[in-house]
Amino acid sequence: EPEVTQTPSHQVTQMGQEVILRCVPISNHLYFYWYRQILGQKVEFLVSFYNNEISEKSEIFDDQFSVERPDGSNFTLKIRSTKLEDSAMYFCASDFGGADTGELFFGEGSRLTVL
Amino acid sequence: AQRVTQPEKLLSVFKGAPVELKCNYSYSGSPELFWYVQYSRQRLQLLLRHISRESIKGFTADLNKGETSFHLKKPFAQEEDSAMYYCALKYQGGSEKLVFGKGTKLTVNP
Repeated sequence: EPEVTQTPSHQVTQMGQEVILRCVPISNHLYFYWYRQILGQKVEFLVSFYNNEISEKSEIFDDQFSVERPDGSNFTLKIRSTKLEDSAMYFCASDFGGADTGELFFGEGSRLTVL
Repeated sequence: AQRVTQPEKLLSVFKGAPVELKCNYSYSGSPELFWYVQYSRQRLQLLLRHISRESIKGFTADLNKGETSFHLKKPFAQEEDSAMYYCALKYQGGSEKLVFGKGTKLTVNP
């Protein structure tokens, strides 16, 4: 069964460093998402991506964040200059879109620790 | 603003007992509601959605627009139901994002 895969599973970085989290969505899906979950808090929407552009983003997704689909398979989240409060589990998700939306297929997450 | 509230952070029941995980939402339009589940060391996955009106793994959830609730129920809990359960809302009308509640950790004791 196809799955969303994410790398790395855990990354530790120093404050101010750039981080790239990678995701390979399910191949025939059209919508891609990043969510994050700070420890003990809820899963929060960051951004959705469709047709090679951002379709929606949350207030969290400020200028420090960017997403890219560089080669038709990978979907990356870049944090330009990490802050302590960026420490969280980051989940990538994808779905078909269209009328039968709602079932997001999630990756296992990338845990980011900013020191 | 859209909001999903799961009032119980932790819920513990014995095997065979009924279980109800509460979810209330705040949204003025016509929502789509979902329950996602995360078993230990596994990824978040869809359990059920209100538009399907289905029962998955013995769980059901009814959308009550009057009470703005979408509680998840199972008449006889099993140990393998132990997991984190997240209620989520998607609002119709163009947005694809899901708004999640904080989650309820269900523990089913033998």
